[in-house]
Amino acid sequence: GDSVTQMEGPVTLSEEAFLTINCTYTATGYPSLFWYVQYPGEGLQLLLKATKADDKGSNKGFEATYRKETTSFHLEKGSVQVSDSAVYFCALSSYNFNKFYFGSGTKLNVKP
Amino acid sequence: DGGITQSPKYLFRKEGQNVTLSCEQNLNHDAMYWYRQDPGQGLRLIYYSQIVNDFQKGDIAEGYSVSREKKESFPLTVTSAQKNPTAFYLCASSIFNSPLHFGNGTRLTVT
Repeated sequence: GDSVTQMEGPVTLSEEAFLTINCTYTATGYPSLFWYVQYPGEGLQLLLKATKADDKGSNKGFEATYRKETTSFHLEKGSVQVSDSAVYFCALSSYNFNKFYFGSGTKLNVKP
Repeated sequence: DGGITQSPKYLFRKEGQNVTLSCEQNLNHDAMYWYRQDPGQGLRLIYYSQIVNDFQKGDIAEGYSVSREKKESFPLTVTSAQKNPTAFYLCASSIFNSPLHFGNGTRLTVT
């Protein structure tokens, strides 16, 4: 079945460091891919998405490219801030957005 | 502003009691979902509903029940049959070909 695997955390970085959170997926057909962010005590917020191979999603300095050949959707940011500290979830949906599958989440801690 | 409202934010119950979590949306979304989140784990799907008066079991439906009598409402009942009900519960909604939109969750503690 469809699934998402993302790197375990926590990831601890200093402010202005480069961030990569790895995400790989298994899916039948042509899924859409997402990154969500969760701040403490809150629900998940959509950070970015990509709906087809080679698409690049971007938002608030974060980027991820849909790589069909490596079944990956790694999240990157060139310079993290303390305010980026949160849990990040990689997710996929079936072709008609009918069902969604989430990774286990990666906690990011950014130190000043 | 449109959004999803989950209430209450914190809920405490004694073991053996049923409890209902509320989820209301004013986004006019057709589909609604309930997820369970445990520490260090991803989200697990409990139930989902694509249209009013219809719903399907997700991956961990045992010990839970739902109803979908109105488009904007999708309450979740955690029954006494759920063996480990303490968790963070998230409600979400979507329209066709769009990502999920989440509420802020209800943290349920059963002692």
